[in-house]
Amino acid sequence: NAGVTQTPKFQVLKTGQSMTLQCAQDMNHEYMSWYRQDPGMGLRLIHYSVGAGITDQGEVPNGYNVSRSTTEDFPLRLLSAAPSQTSVYFCASSSGQKNSPLHFGNGTRLTVT
Amino acid sequence: KNEVEQSPQNLTAQEGEFITINCSYSVGISALHWLQQHPGGGIVSLFMLSSGKKKHGRLIATINIQEKHSSLHITASHPRDSAVYICVDGSEKLVFGKGTKLTVNP
Repeated sequence: NAGVTQTPKFQVLKTGQSMTLQCAQDMNHEYMSWYRQDPGMGLRLIHYSVGAGITDQGEVPNGYNVSRSTTEDFPLRLLSAAPSQTSVYFCASSSGQKNSPLHFGNGTRLTVT
Repeated sequence: KNEVEQSPQNLTAQEGEFITINCSYSVGISALHWLQQHPGGGIVSLFMLSSGKKKHGRLIATINIQEKHSSLHITASHPRDSAVYICVDGSEKLVFGKGTKLTVNP
């Protein structure tokens, strides 16, 4: 099993550009989620999904869109990148069952100039 | 929204010392995660617990639901334990503590 795969690892965007961060898992997990990590702020939840076709907002959803058309994939879209979105982004998944651990991707470092 | 507070923010220890990291939260939860983030950035799950105590090697995690408090202990600490340790409210909308940066010197 590959676990949780995030691509790309690094990305530089200009203000106003759009892009999609990819997240895929091969563990048949129902729960998937996106976070951003900023210095001094800890990890903050952007969006999450409890199954295919179901998404919901987290703590910091503005400027980001998600969809969950399959169990395996949970892409994060930046529609019009802003410098405030410079951050490290992590995707995670879990089975959603009680006492099931979180599995994290390796992160994407995004810089918006 | 649950507030998850960790202490201390930074911790430096000598190899072999017993380490304790604390986590408190404001709203009752059904489960809590402990994560470890390596200096390279990767995040791994250490524990998920809803009551009592769990042990894995030199790591022990405890939770007191009534007191809204959890602790992570590391026995016989080693430089390879140097990392950031993060506690997480394990509800549907995960809420993360800001992390405790542990440095273990040889």
